[in-house]
Amino acid sequence: DAGVTQSPTHLIKTRGQQVTLRCSPISGHKSVSWYQQVLGQGPQFIFQYYEKEERGRGNFPDRFSARQFPNYSSELNVNALLLGDSALYLCASSGTSLRSPGELFFGEGSRLTVL
Amino acid sequence: AQSVTQPDIHITVSEGASLELRCNYSYGATPYLFWYVQSPGQGLQLLLKYFSGDTLVQGIKGFEAEFKRSQSSFNLRKPSVHWSDAAEYFCAVGPMIKAAGNKLTFGGGTRVLVKP
Repeated sequence: DAGVTQSPTHLIKTRGQQVTLRCSPISGHKSVSWYQQVLGQGPQFIFQYYEKEERGRGNFPDRFSARQFPNYSSELNVNALLLGDSALYLCASSGTSLRSPGELFFGEGSRLTVL
Repeated sequence: AQSVTQPDIHITVSEGASLELRCNYSYGATPYLFWYVQSPGQGLQLLLKYFSGDTLVQGIKGFEAEFKRSQSSFNLRKPSVHWSDAAEYFCAVGPMIKAAGNKLTFGGGTRVLVKP
């Protein structure tokens, strides 16, 4: 079975541009979460979506937005990019397994570099 | 507010030696605790988790962790490390939201280097 897939894997943008990152969850999972991992730090929670509704938002500015589609895939958008937005963006999906309720399965991330 | 502290930024250990990584948390309710491992340029892989019950939990790759409520700790251990254990390790805490999934607060990570 395919795991969580993210695209693109790497991208370079300049300050002020906009970026869209994409995530496909594990088949059957209805929840997608996004995390930002700045180099040398632990991941920070950005958004969580469940059944296409936003269920949580971390301490990030309004330049960050996301949505979840009917097939449960998700996009993370970041507008007006700043140098500090350079990071690895991780997507995680979660299902309703009785054995592992709420467990997050992470993709390999999208590495964003802002110049 | 919840928080996770991993006091050791780097640990160097010889292959075959034991390993212990420290994790302290601050959380207002019963915590759900996790340890993840991240190899360079990769995503996060779950090593083990604690939800309730036995405070000593076993995980994958020979890792175990012990939950100590009185010390607000959830330390990770491995009796004998292999060169392939060189990676960054993250402790995380979060609420249990079964359907929607956990919203995790991560520590800053501990980078483990393994000497031959």
